[in-house]
Amino acid sequence: NAGVTQTPKFQVLKTGQSMTLQCAQDMNHNSMYWYRQDPGMGLRLIYYSASEGTTDKGEVPNGYNVSRLNKREFSLRLESAAPSQTSVYFCAGLRWGTAEAFFGQGTRLTVV
Amino acid sequence: GIQVEQSPPDLILQEGANSTLRCNFSDSVNNLQWFHQNPWGQLINLFYIPSGTKQNGRLSATTVATERYSLLYISSSQTTDSGVYFCAVELGGGSEKLVFGKGTKLTVNP
Repeated sequence: NAGVTQTPKFQVLKTGQSMTLQCAQDMNHNSMYWYRQDPGMGLRLIYYSASEGTTDKGEVPNGYNVSRLNKREFSLRLESAAPSQTSVYFCAGLRWGTAEAFFGQGTRLTVV
Repeated sequence: GIQVEQSPPDLILQEGANSTLRCNFSDSVNNLQWFHQNPWGQLINLFYIPSGTKQNGRLSATTVATERYSLLYISSSQTTDSGVYFCAVELGGGSEKLVFGKGTKLTVNP
């Protein structure tokens, strides 16, 4: 969706490696979110940020860290990747005012 | 935490048929949204509907917040409607937490 950009789109990591998924939005969203999607599990919330400088845990935060350095950017970091973190990761922003959510295109991560 | 349940989990239709998808939630919420995930994985916002009824072409949605459910209606289905439909609820109390159901996978056959 226009306005929420995730990088990279694909990534393969070896077990134990670290990486940061980047998310940037230009739609003036206050709230931003990171989800993971696994077959049959829907979208599960990892972390979210209701405003710049604040972050909160979601349903599955273990093994992840996040950073909301400014209003535009919300990054997700895997410090020591594990095969269980193989998934598709989505970033989303919640539009201020209408509260509609808009998603990035996703990052397909494989940990071998 | 809040539970968001969608039914049915899978639905197969012939082109032209109508369908109703349901979303139940276990607690009071600030808002509710419906999304469509197309076969390429892209998530599109369909409706922002904390209460009442909205319509957009062949799709309409109704949320009855007091009874904690929402319905998504698809009329005269087309093959391009195929994909997964998710509902998501935003918790109240200033939390801004957005929680998804597991989705309904819709397949529309020609």
